[in-house]
Amino acid sequence: KQEVTQIPAALSVPEGENLVLNCSFTDSAIYNLQWFRQDPGKGLTSLLLIQSSQREQTSGRLNASLDKSSGRSTLYIAASQPGDSATYLCAVIKSGGYQKVTFGTGTKLQVIP
Amino acid sequence: GAGVSQSPSNKVTEKGKDVELRCDPISGHTALYWYRQSLGQGLEFLIYFQGNSAPDKSGLPSDRFSAERTGGSVSTLTIQRTQQEDSAVYLCASSLGRGRVTDTQYFGPGTRLTVL
Repeated sequence: KQEVTQIPAALSVPEGENLVLNCSFTDSAIYNLQWFRQDPGKGLTSLLLIQSSQREQTSGRLNASLDKSSGRSTLYIAASQPGDSATYLCAVIKSGGYQKVTFGTGTKLQVIP
Repeated sequence: GAGVSQSPSNKVTEKGKDVELRCDPISGHTALYWYRQSLGQGLEFLIYFQGNSAPDKSGLPSDRFSAERTGGSVSTLTIQRTQQEDSAVYLCASSLGRGRVTDTQYFGPGTRLTVL
């Protein structure tokens, strides 16, 4: 059974800092890994998708890396802003099935102005 | 059944036609999500219902897409004037909806939509 863990569970940083969110998964037979953010009372916003054959993806101030062999992904946020405050989720999609999606436990980020 | 069910499992339609996709969440789950997964892509969030609150429609890709949730249970996703780029697997998920982001989402088997 795939287990996805995110560390830390919560993080509070001053504005402008660079930060790293971690995602670990136990089964490396994944199709892809996706990072989402969720704002309170809202659904998920997709941030970055990394295919299993890729090592990293970048979008603006965000960079996500994937190391399948070690079962890890990181989300790097550069120059954090108060608007980045949200809960960040990683989701692992298992090879061979659209519906086999496992979400991580989430990291609640607060960026203090 | 004990899980989330979706119908139909497969739908083939012609460009320009309307389609309705149905989701039956797990009984007692107040949160319901619709996602879309195009070939080779990850999940794209579409819409989120939580109890009786107004749904979060921020993920709907165009005004051709709409969704309803009647009586806080069954949900219907409607796509009007379908386009070929709408071809994807449409996934529904439900969760207890205790207000925590990390509530486990239970996914249905999906509806594979093909627009010719």
